[in-house]
Amino acid sequence: GNSVTQMEGPVTLSEEAFLTINCTYTATGYPSLFWYVQYPGEGLQLLLKATKADDKGSNKGFEATYRKETTSFHLEKGSVQVSDSAVYFCALSVSGAQKLVFGQGTRLTINP
Amino acid sequence: DAGVIQSPRHEVTEMGQEVTLRCKPISGHNSLFWYRQTMMRGLELLIYFNNNVPIDDSGMPEDRFSAKMPNASFSTLKIQPSEPRDSAVYFCASSPRERRERQETQYFGPGTRLLVL
Repeated sequence: GNSVTQMEGPVTLSEEAFLTINCTYTATGYPSLFWYVQYPGEGLQLLLKATKADDKGSNKGFEATYRKETTSFHLEKGSVQVSDSAVYFCALSVSGAQKLVFGQGTRLTINP
Repeated sequence: DAGVIQSPRHEVTEMGQEVTLRCKPISGHNSLFWYRQTMMRGLELLIYFNNNVPIDDSGMPEDRFSAKMPNASFSTLKIQPSEPRDSAVYFCASSPRERRERQETQYFGPGTRLLVL
């Protein structure tokens, strides 16, 4: 079946630190991959996505590269800010299906 | 533009009562999704609709849950009777049909926080 495994949290970093949140997936076919972010008290927002192997999604300083050989889609940011504190979800969808399969989420806290 | 609108934002009810959650998708979007989020189970897809027709309800936990989409601008998720284990945050999301992209982006509402006592 299709599944997503995320790095367990919570993750706590200092401002300006480098961030990596690991995400690996199992899927039939060729999935599209997503990172969503959930700020406190809000719904999920799309952060970035990639639809084929070697694509790099980027937004707000965050990046993730679709790695087919390692079935991974790790989220990175070079210098985090307090405002990046949120829960981050990795997700996939398989071609032809509209359903998103989410990872369990990783809570990120950035201290000033 | 208005995003996905959900009501109520918070609901507290007693076990056995009927609960109705409401969602207004973004205008022009033709797919609608209902999710449930809990600490124990994470984010689960309950049901989704295309053009007001239910496509996949395999995530609906049991017969106490039902969802309808009578028109393109309104959907309800009903729990009858409610139980304490239904306490969760329920999200509605909608997506457009993006012809040039492989996968439509889903836009989430703010959620309804349900507490069943």
